Amino acid sequence: RKEVEQDPGPFNVPEGATVAFNCTYSNSASQSFFWYRQDCRKEPKLLMSVYSSGNEDGRFTAQLNRASQYISLLIRDSKLSDSATYLCVVNNQAGTALIFGKGTTLSVSS
Amino acid sequence: NAGVTQTPKFRVLKTGQSMTLLCAQDMNHEYMYWYRQDPGMGLRLIHYSVGEGTTAKGEVPDGYNVSRLKKQNFLLGLESAAPSQTSVYFCASAKDGAAYNEQFFGPGTRLTVL
Repeated sequence: RKEVEQDPGPFNVPEGATVAFNCTYSNSASQSFFWYRQDCRKEPKLLMSVYSSGNEDGRFTAQLNRASQYISLLIRDSKLSDSATYLCVVNNQAGTALIFGKGTTLSVSS
Repeated sequence: NAGVTQTPKFRVLKTGQSMTLLCAQDMNHEYMYWYRQDPGMGLRLIHYSVGEGTTAKGEVPDGYNVSRLKKQNFLLGLESAAPSQTSVYFCASAKDGAAYNEQFFGPGTRLTVL
């Protein structure tokens, strides 16, 4: 099983749609979870951290299910500017580095 | 603050040539990382450093060397470039206890090895 697995997509949705991305991780001892966003030909940037209780930032909601080793990202009311690749990220076993999923590509159209 | 900067932005090498990629950060971060990103492969960790004078291997270290002589700089060296090293290279830094802190990325270096 790969350490961090994501559905690569692409997800093609119209403006205003709600879209959800899922991610699974293999290390049950992982403590830190993030979603990063990467625009085409740009560097990744932190979108949000993922907490056990779930967290929301505007139109974005992240959830963590430790028992199933599953992380999700929900985007409501999609905007054209949400088009990007979304990277699921967890910490490595030693806690010294991050492991990135391959990313899920979202394309929002008008 | 410039954040994380990378030099050069683009480079074309011939097989067997050597080069050094420079990463600099002005945020006084302890942790620094070098990744490569290839289509369909995602970001893969090459080497990282948890402080000045220290380095460690990541997932794909073969063919690369690194040095962290100054806290603000992290150098990635290719001694004898191969076409398989054609990639986009990203440097990143984090404050400390990297697993719990945001990583800040540089803009990337696009390297082509012919």
